[in-house]
Amino acid sequence: DTGVSQNPRHKITKRGQNVTFRCDPISEHNRLYWYRQTLGQGPEFLTYFQNEAQLEKSRLLSDRFSAERPKGSFSTLEIQRTEQGDSAMYLCASSLNPRDTQYFGPGTRLTVL
Amino acid sequence: TQLLEQSPQFLSIQEGENLTVYCNSSSVFSSLQWYRQEPGEGPVLLVTVVTGGEVKKLKRLTFQFGDARKDSSLHITAAQPGDTGLYLCAGGGQGAQKLVFGQGTRLTINP
Repeated sequence: DTGVSQNPRHKITKRGQNVTFRCDPISEHNRLYWYRQTLGQGPEFLTYFQNEAQLEKSRLLSDRFSAERPKGSFSTLEIQRTEQGDSAMYLCASSLNPRDTQYFGPGTRLTVL
Repeated sequence: TQLLEQSPQFLSIQEGENLTVYCNSSSVFSSLQWYRQEPGEGPVLLVTVVTGGEVKKLKRLTFQFGDARKDSSLHITAAQPGDTGLYLCAGGGQGAQKLVFGQGTRLTINP
């Protein structure tokens, strides 16, 4: 399978802990996006990368959130000092070029207790 | 801020019936996608429409992009239980092409 993969699929953590998620995009896709989806809502844009450069961050991405794509391949999303409001599905998507179709991974479901 | 409003948010119908889901905005989008999402999974692309007035068919599903590229509809003919899921419309703007999603329509087809 050469689709977008995300790990872990599920993460349960206690409030105040740090968590890190990983996304492996489709090979050779230059664009990588992170979205967050809360229950009963559509996904909301968080940030995106063009190769290793982070080009845009949503206002939803507070100081506790940081994303990297160090070699222009996989990406990580870290949340520090998690809060209960961070509980959501975190989705990663990739596309070959800016205007191309975005292909989504299966997501990481985060539960903060 | 670009927003997409989907209606209805919930729809439960009997197998064999037809249905239409709407996706509306006051903003113009360069393209619009429809995704389907199963519980615990990421959205899976069904179709992309890019031209005002464009109509695309995918078996029993018909997608239409409004002439002004501000709205779209998804019509399902003779719905089947396998059509059950969350249907999301998403608009792409100029430049970065980050997607703006509607809140989704949760469709249940009863046997």
